[in-house]
Amino acid sequence: DAKTTQPNSMESNEEEPVHLPCNHSTISGTDYIHWYRQLPSQGPEYVIHGLTSNVNNRMASLAIAEDRKSSTLILHRATLRDAAVYYCLPILDMRFGAGTRLTVKP
Amino acid sequence: GAGVSQTPSNKVTEKGKYVELRCDPISGHTALYWYRQSLGQGPEFLIYFQGTGAADDSGLPNDRFFAVRPEGSVSTLKIQRTERGDSAVYLCASSQTGATNEKLFFGSGTQLSVL
Repeated sequence: DAKTTQPNSMESNEEEPVHLPCNHSTISGTDYIHWYRQLPSQGPEYVIHGLTSNVNNRMASLAIAEDRKSSTLILHRATLRDAAVYYCLPILDMRFGAGTRLTVKP
Repeated sequence: GAGVSQTPSNKVTEKGKYVELRCDPISGHTALYWYRQSLGQGPEFLIYFQGTGAADDSGLPNDRFFAVRPEGSVSTLKIQRTERGDSAVYLCASSQTGATNEKLFFGSGTQLSVL
């Protein structure tokens, strides 16, 4: 199984950028890296995915290391609604880790 | 429907009983996934369907758990002889073809409580 390592928790202040790291050193060369987030009492929600290049969408940016063994999800301006558990997922593995619980302080 | 639908949203049963949990994926999605999630944990992979067939059932914990998708759309997760340890939120997700560059769409889950 591909293994992912994420910090258990992180804190941010509202309207500041947040960088959420993920290590996935055993990822295969063709496996996309997906990020999902989960709000309380809801199913996970797609955030972003990428293969090799950095990616941007309306929710976030994804920076992928050149060796693809790690990636960073970037929330450019955290809001209170971004408080959630964030999971990175080498998608071929289909297995989630424990994720990072992000707390956003007003 | 517009999204992945799971029914019931809550299910309370007694130890030893049989339960069925239903998942309606997004129309036209051929890939369907079942996960279960215990409090404070990430979703745990159970089984992945591609069309009607189980492409990967390596996450099913034991032979009390079984899932079907007879027509390649709706799926049912079946749990026999339920145990208290089966209590969890059971999540279903679907994607269009199962390609790795597609996003997964999750339902809100079924909260199963085994008393």
